[in-house]
Amino acid sequence: TQLLEQSPQFLSIQEGENLTVYCNSSSVFSSLQWYRQEPGEGPVLLVTVVTGGEVKKLKRLTFQFGDARKDSSLHITAAQPGDTGLYLCAGDPVGSSNTGKLIFGQGTTLQVKP
Amino acid sequence: DAGITQSPRHKVTETGTPVTLRCHQTENHRYMYWYRQDPGHGLRLIHYSYGVKDTDKGEVSDGYSVSRSKTEDFLLTLESATSSQTSVYFCAISGRGPPDTQYFGPGTRLTVL
Repeated sequence: TQLLEQSPQFLSIQEGENLTVYCNSSSVFSSLQWYRQEPGEGPVLLVTVVTGGEVKKLKRLTFQFGDARKDSSLHITAAQPGDTGLYLCAGDPVGSSNTGKLIFGQGTTLQVKP
Repeated sequence: DAGITQSPRHKVTETGTPVTLRCHQTENHRYMYWYRQDPGHGLRLIHYSYGVKDTDKGEVSDGYSVSRSKTEDFLLTLESATSSQTSVYFCAISGRGPPDTQYFGPGTRLTVL
């Protein structure tokens, strides 16, 4: 079974603090995505990374794909209450091309207090 | 927003009854997926479809069946609902497989008593 382990599972911080969420696996992924989900809604894609070592920035969010394509991280600078939500990583395992399957991590619940 | 709807949005049923959830899309996307979301488990794939009448199992398919007779509709059936199937169910669509974006519906909250 291919697993994606996210850590931490819960994070409660004050507005203005920085944080990092990790997504790790023993499996290699062709690509990795990060989604954000708000209560009562479906997840929404934030970013896709496909190249080992790739770094993508989306305003205050920085995403990195590990060199070996087994792990990824999401760093948020100066967190704001609007960043509150559930963050999910999802990977496309090598060898599953054209099946359309994604493996999701268990999620990180982030609460940013004003 | 991607044109994807789920029905019903909420359902309460009793153990042993059959339940069908519907996912409808207006994007003409090839791929459709059914996930369940439970605390501490993220999203787990139940079944997915890569075309009309083309479906395959995900990691938690036991107790579920699916059908896709036309591009826009993907049905998830619980033949005999059990309390362990109480969950929030999400449908997703994508034009191609990964790394293409998956667009999610609003979810169906199912409670099996």
